[in-house]
Amino acid sequence: KQEVTQIPAALSVPEGENLVLNCSFTDSAIYNLQWFRQDPGKGLTSLLLIQSSQREQTSGRLNASLDKSSGRSTLYIAASQPGDSATYLCAVEQDTGKLIFGQGTTLQVKP
Amino acid sequence: DAGITQSPRHKVTETGTPVTLRCHQTENHRYMYWYRQDPGHGLRLIHYSYGVKDTDKGEVSDGYSVSRSKTEDFLLTLESATSSQTSVYFCAISVGSGRGRMKGRTGTEAFFGQGTRLTVV
Repeated sequence: KQEVTQIPAALSVPEGENLVLNCSFTDSAIYNLQWFRQDPGKGLTSLLLIQSSQREQTSGRLNASLDKSSGRSTLYIAASQPGDSATYLCAVEQDTGKLIFGQGTTLQVKP
Repeated sequence: DAGITQSPRHKVTETGTPVTLRCHQTENHRYMYWYRQDPGHGLRLIHYSYGVKDTDKGEVSDGYSVSRSKTEDFLLTLESATSSQTSVYFCAISVGSGRGRMKGRTGTEAFFGQGTRLTVV
């Protein structure tokens, strides 16, 4: 059974720091890995999607990498801002659209 | 936001009553999903649909049923609500190529609604 783990569970950093969020999964037979952002009381916003054949994806200050063979993905946030404060979730797809989620990393960026 | 609307956004109901949550999408996507989100468990798949009248069970389907009579609407029903079903419910659609575990198929991208907070008292 696929298990997805995110470390750390919570992170607090001063504004301007570069930071890395980690996601690991136990079964490498995935179609893709997706990173989401969730603000308190809100839905999930898709940040980056990495297909299994890809190594990384970039969007603005965000860069996500995928090493399928080792079961790891990282989300790199450059020059963090208070507006980046949220919970970040990773999820893997093993069958059409059905996602298995990690429990998230709650990020606080202090001004 | 992929045109996904969930209703109601908040609901309080009594134990033993039936409850129906609605997910409506405006972009004619085939694949739709219901998840629940709970502290300590994250998001878990309840039911999913690959088209009109084509639905199946997910990881935590006990006590829930679904219906999809139109492409744009996916309904989740709690047949007799229990306190353990107090949760935040999210509807999602996925966009991409193909269906099933075909060789060479790429994955899909998921988009979520804003959620329904359900409290069973």
